[in-house]
Amino acid sequence: IQLTQSPSSLSASVEDRVTITCRASQGISYSLAWYQQKPGKAPKLLIYAASTLHSGVPSRFSGSGSGTDFTLTISSLQPEDSATYYCQQLYSYPITFAQGTRLEIK
Amino acid sequence: EVQLLESGGGLVQPGGSLRLSCVASGFTFRNYAMSWVRQAPGRGLEWVSVISGSGDSTYYADSVKGRFAISRDNSKNTLYVQMNSLRAEDTAVYYCAKDLVCDWNNCAGFDSWGQGILVTVSS
Repeated sequence: IQLTQSPSSLSASVEDRVTITCRASQGISYSLAWYQQKPGKAPKLLIYAASTLHSGVPSRFSGSGSGTDFTLTISSLQPEDSATYYCQQLYSYPITFAQGTRLEIK
Repeated sequence: EVQLLESGGGLVQPGGSLRLSCVASGFTFRNYAMSWVRQAPGRGLEWVSVISGSGDSTYYADSVKGRFAISRDNSKNTLYVQMNSLRAEDTAVYYCAKDLVCDWNNCAGFDSWGQGILVTVSS
């Protein structure tokens, strides 16, 4: 299952609302996770089951979608949100990641 | 607190072999599927392999199938990957990762990751 994320990069200002999309090549129900990765660090799980916020993740992060189309939204961008974001499908093996979205703070 | 600690990385020549280990603590290791994920320098995340909690089931990415072998020792809370016939394109930071909920099916996402270990394949 191929995952395509868009955009590949974006630049936004503090307090902006940011949306990243992830499209699967076939239906994956709700089996999608989102991660945040900062340079030199391991990824951190943000969202699982398409829309469930992982423990400890700020509520400005949210996920939605099912089937083939999914979104990650940051409702009010903060400076510490500068990172690369990845979606991942766990519907079937092999598990796959999308190519990522690099988010820069203006 | 969940901890995953990888070891065994380093420099290896093309065609060589290396075994990575990942020691787990802070959770009931045998209850969870474990994966290896890698990241080549400046590139995105690539899932490599998974093993079920019992160790009975495994799956591999096409890019490593036939060359890598994942295993686990639940008595030692340790995950392994034996990497053979290494190529330059296997150069990456390798992470071990634990799924949030699953033993094999209905996995949700990787809630715990190791710090990563660098494998460099070069002559």
